[in-house]
Amino acid sequence: QVQLVQSGAEVKKPGASVKVSCKASGYTFTSYDINWVRQATGQGLEWMGWMNPNSGNTGYAQKFQGRVTMTRNTSISTAYMELSSLRSEDTAVYYCAREAGAYASSYYFDYWGQGTLVTVSS
Amino acid sequence: QSVLTQPPSASGTPGQRVTISCSGSSSNIGSNTVNWYQQLPGTAPKLLIYSNNQRPSGVPDRFSGSKSGTSASLAISGLQSEDEADYYCAAWDDSLNGLYVFGTGTKVTVL
Repeated sequence: QVQLVQSGAEVKKPGASVKVSCKASGYTFTSYDINWVRQATGQGLEWMGWMNPNSGNTGYAQKFQGRVTMTRNTSISTAYMELSSLRSEDTAVYYCAREAGAYASSYYFDYWGQGTLVTVSS
Repeated sequence: QSVLTQPPSASGTPGQRVTISCSGSSSNIGSNTVNWYQQLPGTAPKLLIYSNNQRPSGVPDRFSGSKSGTSASLAISGLQSEDEADYYCAAWDDSLNGLYVFGTGTKVTVL
């Protein structure tokens, strides 16, 4: 069965960076884009960007341009999201999700990781 | 910030029908398909409806989606206690460099 398993919770100081991993299993890792979505406590969902595990191509939400980097290691079917220059407003649960849309105007996430809590505090 | 607008809350008694609206614009709902996610307390979101009205395998047919113009809606018929959750609509938005936008979220309470 398809699974996305994320790394554990992190506590970081303002100005630091965090790197969250997302290990995929149960399907061909390079066949589906991986997206990252975050959710601050008690708030809604916010899309951060996508990565194509086959090509390594990425697309980031304008809000995170320059601060986020999405990469992968195909040999271990793992995607990574690194966010730099952390501030308190970045405290949130970060999710990876598999994108399954079959055509350009159909874009949706059929499997999600369990989430990784990143706390930014001095 | 969310660009898809949903009512903050909705409620109903067991067995009732509840409808949640999602209002967008020509660059998102007007141009692309709409999806709905269910998020139970303390868990990751789960895909409920994709491509406006398609249910993934395992999703009960009590859940249905529709879209018209720049708005969409999710209906839950025969409301059950386990349906108490947050619901988010979402769609790709063609503005700027393109981004995936979520709705503001609706908390469904089963009375």
